[in-house]
Amino acid sequence: AQSVTQPDIHITVSEGASLELRCNYSYGATPYLFWYVQSPGQGLQLLLKYFSGDTLVQGIKGFEAEFKRSQSSFNLRKPSVHWSDAAEYFCAVGDYGGATNKLIFGTGTLLAVQP
Amino acid sequence: NAGVTQTPKFQVLKTGQSMTLQCAQDMNHNSMYWYRQDPGMGLRLIYYSASEGTTDKGEVPNGYNVSRLNKREFSLRLESAAPSQTSVYFCASFRGGSYNSPLHFGNGTRLTVT
Repeated sequence: AQSVTQPDIHITVSEGASLELRCNYSYGATPYLFWYVQSPGQGLQLLLKYFSGDTLVQGIKGFEAEFKRSQSSFNLRKPSVHWSDAAEYFCAVGDYGGATNKLIFGTGTLLAVQP
Repeated sequence: NAGVTQTPKFQVLKTGQSMTLQCAQDMNHNSMYWYRQDPGMGLRLIYYSASEGTTDKGEVPNGYNVSRLNKREFSLRLESAAPSQTSVYFCASFRGGSYNSPLHFGNGTRLTVT
């Protein structure tokens, strides 16, 4: 069965420091992978997505993610974190079926940013 | 350009009461989804609709019913609310036809069942 694991429930980084959020997936075919961000009280915003091709994917707000098939990972990175990046981050794999795309989410990583 | 609109934003119910969560999208998307979000569990799919007139169960459908009223609207009904249904509910839509288009999410409905 498809699944997504985000091993880190909560991460705290200092403003200006680099960030890496881990995501591991289990999926039988070519995975369609996503990172979403959720600010408090808000909906989910798509940061970036991977379907094929270049394994380093650039997203919005200065985020990037690297797909590593050998490790079944799709880790999210940012070189320098801003206080406004404090939010919850969700990794997801898409179970795409033409007319539908059922996302399977990880449990999320809550990011806190220290001044 | 509203995207996906959910109503209400907040709701408090007593155990056994019923209510319907409304969702509408204005992007002419074909498929729509209902997720629930619980602390430490991420988002889990309740029901989805591939097209007008069709609905299918997701991972956690028990206690819920859905209606795809037309292409724009997809409602979620709790017939007899239970405290275990306290959650944040998100509706989403997807254009379909290409894996390159993302799901669009509403801002959620926060439901408390006492």
